[in-house]
Amino acid sequence: EVQLVESGGVVVQPGGSLRLSCAASGFTFDDYTMHWVRQAPGKGLEWVSLISWDGGSTYYADSVKGRFTISRDNSKNSLYLQMNSLRTEDTALYYCSKDNGGPGRSDAFDIWGQGTMVTVSS
Amino acid sequence: DIQMTQSPSSLSASVGDRVTITCRASQSISSYLNWYQQKPGKAPKLLIYAASSLQSGVPSRFSGSGSGTDFTLTISSLQPEDFATYYCQQSYITPPITFGQGTRLEIK
Repeated sequence: EVQLVESGGVVVQPGGSLRLSCAASGFTFDDYTMHWVRQAPGKGLEWVSLISWDGGSTYYADSVKGRFTISRDNSKNSLYLQMNSLRTEDTALYYCSKDNGGPGRSDAFDIWGQGTMVTVSS
Repeated sequence: DIQMTQSPSSLSASVGDRVTITCRASQSISSYLNWYQQKPGKAPKLLIYAASSLQSGVPSRFSGSGSGTDFTLTISSLQPEDFATYYCQQSYITPPITFGQGTRLEIK
């Protein structure tokens, strides 16, 4: 079964740091670009970041650029999101998602995890 | 950045109805348009990619059309399990990857 399982979401104070993880199974992880997408409570979907199959290319939404870092460990079938200088507006459910393309990106998301909740509050 | 605008923002319909949701891009995105369904408390699910290609396992009552700036998602005969929020998303000029604001489909 193709599966993504996120972890690491907690309550953190503004200015704090957090690392999210996503464990992938059921597909050849290092064949695919991976993404993080977030959803603030009661709001729509916002793309956060992507990383190419080999980790060689990374991109970020302007709202997180310079504060968040995406990475992956293909030997562990795992995706990560290091989140620094957290703000209240970063409060959201963070989803890990698999790109629908192969080694070339399609920037469509065909597999999603269940999400992990990050709450930034004092 | 490319802005995606969906209409309507919410919609009430009955089981068996034919429903159409529209998505408009702020500039041409060719056919690089994807549709997702999200049910409460669940992750989004890819329905349609590249404007009109049905994702594997998605019922054929879902269809997508359009190119350039104007796109539609059509559900030919609404089923009880189709009541959800639907999002369009462009994958043409990225990053950033951008979504529409969502269309909430409710039971009349």
